[in-house]
Amino acid sequence: QKEVEQDPGPLSVPEGAIVSLNCTYSNSAFQYFMWYRQYSRKGPELLMYTYSSGNKEDGRFTAQVDKSSKYISLFIRDSQPSDSATYLCAMRDSNSGYALNFGKGTSLLVTP
Amino acid sequence: ETGVTQTPRHLVMGMTNKKSLKCEQHLGHNAMYWYKQSAKKPLELMFVYSLEERVENNSVPSRFSPECPNSSHLFLHLHTLQPEDSALYLCASGGQGFGYTFGSGTRLTVV
Repeated sequence: QKEVEQDPGPLSVPEGAIVSLNCTYSNSAFQYFMWYRQYSRKGPELLMYTYSSGNKEDGRFTAQVDKSSKYISLFIRDSQPSDSATYLCAMRDSNSGYALNFGKGTSLLVTP
Repeated sequence: ETGVTQTPRHLVMGMTNKKSLKCEQHLGHNAMYWYKQSAKKPLELMFVYSLEERVENNSVPSRFSPECPNSSHLFLHLHTLQPEDSALYLCASGGQGFGYTFGSGTRLTVV
């Protein structure tokens, strides 16, 4: 079983929709959770991060972590065509040093 | 620019060639990483350098050879690569804590 599972999509939504992106994981020791956004021909950029369980909101973006279910989510409200990108989840535990475990990424297309 | 600069952006090389990828960061981070990104696969960690010392090497073939001469620069030396090594090679820098800063990557094609 892979440590981090993420549906690659593609996911296509109309402008203004609420988008839900999700990852599941198997390692209960993971404590740091991140979401990266990657535009075509660019490297990933850090979008949101959370520590342990709970929610974090930043503008139109909300990150949720449910450690009991080993499930994390990224919600995008009022989606815009500029949100079209690949979204990667990443996570690590406190003892693994520096390495992050990434999902495969979900490709999102927001149509005008 | 993100603060992490990678050159070249694109590289086409034959299987007998030797080439090097370069990464530079001036963010004051103490760790640097090489990742490989292939289609439909998660990012694969290749090498980690912390304070210029290699701390992780994830069973990467010896045809990939990293070098970290100082805390701001990281190289990936390539020789006798295979077509399946064609991918986007990403450099990142960061410290312990939340996440990395990635460069834009080098798109490598091995012919």
